[in-house]
Amino acid sequence: EDKVVQSPLSLVVHEGDTVTLNCSYEVTNFRSLLWYKQEKKAPTFLFMLTSSGIEKKSGRLSSILDKKELFSILNITATQTGDSAVYLCAVGNSSNTGKLIFGQGTTLQVKP
Amino acid sequence: NAGVTQTPKFRVLKTGQSMTLLCAQDMNHEYMYWYRQDPGMGLRLIHYSVGEGTTAKGEVPDGYNVSRLKKQNFLLGLESAAPSQTSVYFCASSYVTGENTEAFFGQGTRLTVV
Repeated sequence: EDKVVQSPLSLVVHEGDTVTLNCSYEVTNFRSLLWYKQEKKAPTFLFMLTSSGIEKKSGRLSSILDKKELFSILNITATQTGDSAVYLCAVGNSSNTGKLIFGQGTTLQVKP
Repeated sequence: NAGVTQTPKFRVLKTGQSMTLLCAQDMNHEYMYWYRQDPGMGLRLIHYSVGEGTTAKGEVPDGYNVSRLKKQNFLLGLESAAPSQTSVYFCASSYVTGENTEAFFGQGTRLTVV
């Protein structure tokens, strides 16, 4: 059975800290791994990773994929209160459906 | 630039009542999905569609039905609501080309069944 596991499930840090969120997966015929940020409402897209070892960056956020060890990390440097959210990891397989399998999410709280 | 629009945004139902959630997308996406989100459980796929006139079951389909009569719309029905269906429901759409599987989400519908 395909599954995606995120850790930690919740995290509390102070502004300025650096955090690392983890996502491990077991998926038949891996296609891509996606990170989303969810504040009050809809998940918003952060990154899509398909190749091992290639870091994707957007401002203070970065992510990398390891297809051999079947995991990805999402790093946030110099955290701000606006980074407080649920971070979702999802994996797509190569079936022609576009279905995504989501992890449980990591709830990040950044305190001033 | 509407993207994915869900209606209604909130609803309270009594046990046994029925309702339909509407999802509309204006991005000409072939693929559409209904997920539910419960605390500590991420998003779980209810039903999905890979094109107009087609639907398929996801991970948690029981108690729900769907229809995709038009490419831009994907309807989720609850025939006889139960308290276990209290949840936040998200619709999503995507285009799938090569390695790309990015999904675009609606704003969610918070449903409470009492």
